[in-house]
Amino acid sequence: AQSVTQPDIHITVSEGASLELRCNYSYGATPYLFWYVQSPGQGLQLLLKYFSGDTLVQGIKGFEAEFKRSQSSFNLRKPSVHWSDAAEYFCAVVRGDTGRRALTFGSGTRLQVQP
Amino acid sequence: NAGVTQTPKFQVLKTGQSMTLQCAQDMNHNSMYWYRQDPGMGLRLIYYSASEGTTDKGEVPNGYNVSRLNKREFSLRLESAAPSQTSVYFCASSEAVGGYGYTFGSGTRLTVV
Repeated sequence: AQSVTQPDIHITVSEGASLELRCNYSYGATPYLFWYVQSPGQGLQLLLKYFSGDTLVQGIKGFEAEFKRSQSSFNLRKPSVHWSDAAEYFCAVVRGDTGRRALTFGSGTRLQVQP
Repeated sequence: NAGVTQTPKFQVLKTGQSMTLQCAQDMNHNSMYWYRQDPGMGLRLIYYSASEGTTDKGEVPNGYNVSRLNKREFSLRLESAAPSQTSVYFCASSEAVGGYGYTFGSGTRLTVV
């Protein structure tokens, strides 16, 4: 079964500081990986996705993520955080082959940005 | 605006009551999904429909039924609501199953008392 772990429930960073949110997945074959962001009271918005090829992917709002097969990780990064980035972030995975082909989400990381 | 529309946005039910959550998308997507979101648990898949005419169980299907009414609409029914079904419910759609990004609705906040 596919699963996703986000080890950090809550992270606080200062505005302008760099950010890294961790995501580990458990799935043997190459997965499709995603990061979503959820602002309070809203649905989820896709930030970026990885299917294959270049392991560093760029997304919207200045975010990027790096796929590391050896570590089963897909960490989200941003060089300089803005106050508007405060939200909850979800990593998600789906199988690239057969079987259930709907996204499995991690439990989320809530980001707080200090002025 | 194009997207996924969920109704209602808020609902309070008494234990044992039934209700249907509605979801419609106007992006001509083939696949649709229902998730529930609970604090600390992320989003858990209830049911999904890979294409019109098909539905499959997800991680937490017990107590729910779904209907893919047509390509646009995918409803979620609670036949006999229980307090454990208090949650925020999200509908989503995608071009197909697998590696396509989802478009989410804004959610339905359901409270069962």
